[in-house]
Amino acid sequence: GQQVMQIPQYQHVQEGEDFTTYCNSSTTLSNIQWYKQRPGGHPVFLIQLVKSGEVKKQKRLTFQFGEAKKNSSLHITATQTTDVGTYFCAGPKAPGYIPTFGRGTSLIVHP
Amino acid sequence: GAGVSQTPSNKVTEKGKYVELRCDPISGHTALYWYRQSLGQGPEFLIYFQGTGAADDSGLPNDRFFAVRPEGSVSTLKIQRTERGDSAVYLCASSPEGNSGYTFGSGTRLTVV
Repeated sequence: GQQVMQIPQYQHVQEGEDFTTYCNSSTTLSNIQWYKQRPGGHPVFLIQLVKSGEVKKQKRLTFQFGEAKKNSSLHITATQTTDVGTYFCAGPKAPGYIPTFGRGTSLIVHP
Repeated sequence: GAGVSQTPSNKVTEKGKYVELRCDPISGHTALYWYRQSLGQGPEFLIYFQGTGAADDSGLPNDRFFAVRPEGSVSTLKIQRTERGDSAVYLCASSPEGNSGYTFGSGTRLTVV
């Protein structure tokens, strides 16, 4: 079945460095969602991308949906300790739109 | 309510026992989802309700798992004859429609001993 794969699984950065996580699908996605889960918390919806090549920004976060709608990325500029957590992408489970989550990328920010 | 409420927050049960987990979605949200999450993994889909009916239950691992949403709001996930492998955090999410961003509850941590 359709799966979304995320890399890397873990990323350690020094505070102030940039961070990027990548999400790849073997099939074309109608949309991609991104969530953040703080340690001990629950997933919190960040954004949904729908259009081919779409780029959206939320302060220091930049989300991109690939032209072929098979990949997506989340880039954080100048990380802060508040960015610590696991970032998940979720693509719709064919044939409907129930989000199927990747394994996530855990971001660790060292002060 | 203001958010998705799940009760209990923690549940410890003995192997073989029956448990019920409750989800109270955001008022007016017609779509409700159950997921479970094991340590180090992403949420795994279990079942999706649109209104009162289970629109997709393909994620339920076996017939020990069952969920209801009789009045289109509160949902209960029921697990019979619990096994140690059922231990996980069970998450509920709701959305206004089926294809928009989802609001998750804080989850129920189920431990089967």
